[in-house]
Amino acid sequence: GEDVEQSLFLSVREGDSSVINCTYTDSSSTYLYWYKQEPGAGLQLLTYIFSNMDMKQDQRLTVLLNKKDKHLSLRIADTQTGDSAIYFCAESIRRDKIIFGKGTRLHILP
Amino acid sequence: DGGITQSPKYLFRKEGQNVTLSCEQNLNHDAMYWYRQDPGQGLRLIYYSQIVNDFQKGDIAEGYSVSREKKESFPLTVTSAQKNPTAFYLCASSILGDPDIDTQYFGPGTRLTVL
Repeated sequence: GEDVEQSLFLSVREGDSSVINCTYTDSSSTYLYWYKQEPGAGLQLLTYIFSNMDMKQDQRLTVLLNKKDKHLSLRIADTQTGDSAIYFCAESIRRDKIIFGKGTRLHILP
Repeated sequence: DGGITQSPKYLFRKEGQNVTLSCEQNLNHDAMYWYRQDPGQGLRLIYYSQIVNDFQKGDIAEGYSVSREKKESFPLTVTSAQKNPTAFYLCASSILGDPDIDTQYFGPGTRLTVL
């Protein structure tokens, strides 16, 4: 079936890199997404990667895709207190359907 | 200033009452979606619409209804038939004209509490 799995919590010291991992099941996914949700707010699109790419970098964000293992990761360099949020991994199943993971809550330690 | 707006931000309802959540977008997006988010859970799709006057049920449509009379508006009604309506409701929209990009953009959400 269609499923996206990610760990629920991650704690990282300020200034270190954060790596949030995600696995998905549908090998026909065209796009994979990372969204950020701050408390009480909607989801903000951070970045996305097309399924024929291995890596995408955007300022402090690096997305790695291992299509063989169906594994997606988001690396946040130089993690700041403003990065504290829930991060959702999502895969595009078809044009009108996206499957979301349960989200990883990123906690920043001083 | 383009975007997706949802109102109200907080909504309280007595048990047995219907309530309608508003979602408006001025992005000229074709498709609109309603999701429900519960604590510690991912997003679950309630309804979606690709064009005006047409909509489809998502994974958890029971107890909800929608309409799409205008391209920019997709209101969600939570009926008294919904057994556990307290949740955070998110509206999203996307362009369907480009077959390669289905990115969904989200509104700020409405938190519904049933008293």
